[in-house]
Amino acid sequence: EAGVAQSPRYKIIEKRQSVAFWCNPISGHATLYWYQQILGQGPKLLIQFQNNGVVDDSQLPKDRFSAERLKGVDSTLKIQPAKLEDSAVYLCASSFGRGNEQFFGPGTRLTVL
Amino acid sequence: QKEVEQNSGPLSVPEGAIASLNCTYSDRGSQSFFWYRQYSGKSPELIMSIYSNGDKEDGRFTAQLNKASQYVSLLIRDSQPSDSATYLCAVFPGNQFYFGTGTSLTVIP
Repeated sequence: EAGVAQSPRYKIIEKRQSVAFWCNPISGHATLYWYQQILGQGPKLLIQFQNNGVVDDSQLPKDRFSAERLKGVDSTLKIQPAKLEDSAVYLCASSFGRGNEQFFGPGTRLTVL
Repeated sequence: QKEVEQNSGPLSVPEGAIASLNCTYSDRGSQSFFWYRQYSGKSPELIMSIYSNGDKEDGRFTAQLNKASQYVSLLIRDSQPSDSATYLCAVFPGNQFYFGTGTSLTVIP
């Protein structure tokens, strides 16, 4: 069974530029999560989808971050414009349902200069 | 108060010993609890889930849950150098997952 796929794996951008991350969850998983993990910290939830609907985006900085999950499968997370403090690893995870075991993709390491 | 608290360590144990990792959580309504292992530069990998009070064993790993005291622990028996990693505790109170900051474990050969 294929795991969660993410791309790109690494991205370096200048502040104020935009960037987009892509995630393909495990087949059949209805719930998809985007997390931000800063070095030395645990993952922090940015947004949670159930199928193609947003369940929780309370911690998403909506003035610069946006996310969508079209057709309830793939998802993209966008940052525009990026700030220095956005440098982190962005992790996508999926689970069969809310609260079930979630599985992480390899992550995207973002560096904002 | 943080939702999930872990001792950041580092925790060092000799090879073959038992490593004990602890986690406390604040939401009494939490129903689902998970332990993840994260190697440096890698993403979290699920080790175990536990939902009921008591112990759950899987190979060298045992998760223990005590909802009355609001703590969950992970025991690693016969620790190996390959177990050296950061261990993340995650709790699901019903709305979203909350992660601790992780405990760094080093197994000394």
